[in-house]
Amino acid sequence: DTEVTQTPKHLVMGMTNKKSLKCEQHMGHRAMYWYKQKAKKPPELMFVYSYEKLSINESVPSRFSPECPNSSLLNLHLHALQPEDSALYLCASSRQGLGEAFFGQGTRLTVV
Amino acid sequence: KNEVEQSPQNLTAQEGEFITINCSYSVGISALHWLQQHPGGGIVSLFMLSSGKKKHGRLIATINIQEKHSSLHITASHPRDSAVYICAVRGETSGSRLTFGEGTQLTVNP
Repeated sequence: DTEVTQTPKHLVMGMTNKKSLKCEQHMGHRAMYWYKQKAKKPPELMFVYSYEKLSINESVPSRFSPECPNSSLLNLHLHALQPEDSALYLCASSRQGLGEAFFGQGTRLTVV
Repeated sequence: KNEVEQSPQNLTAQEGEFITINCSYSVGISALHWLQQHPGGGIVSLFMLSSGKKKHGRLIATINIQEKHSSLHITASHPRDSAVYICAVRGETSGSRLTFGEGTQLTVNP
């Protein structure tokens, strides 16, 4: 199994809503990542978890809250988002921090 | 100047043509990745290179560490190869961070 599975595929939320994005992998990877991608731009790193601990936070606003409940799961909790947060959110994993990165299909988020 | 530069930005080819996409970078790296992204979003890892050359089907990736340059070649291109191709590097001192190029939009016409 070389898949990274993200749910939901699409999400529309209001600025006062609370929602969560989910990511799952069963490759035994111990590094997991959240990226944000705007249209026609490369992905921007948001967070890195290594061995279920947050190792990198790229100065992401606190309205984005990551969580890694176990080595297979990664969540991104969303609260009080702004319309400019609308983007494709990609999850990735790799064997520790240095191996080949495997990406999910992404969640296309629209904030209204 | 970006740390990772790709060329061309856009490329249109006829089915069957040989395609080359280039990537130049300015930092010492531990690995270089070639990624493919189709409309709709998902990213597929094509290659991870730290030296030499790799081949997978019709795709070939090469890297010249001294010249800080990599190329992705597609032989016998097909319309299903139409996608954005992204070069990303892992710097020697950047841990698990990837630095991405802006991507090359490839369109292969039948």
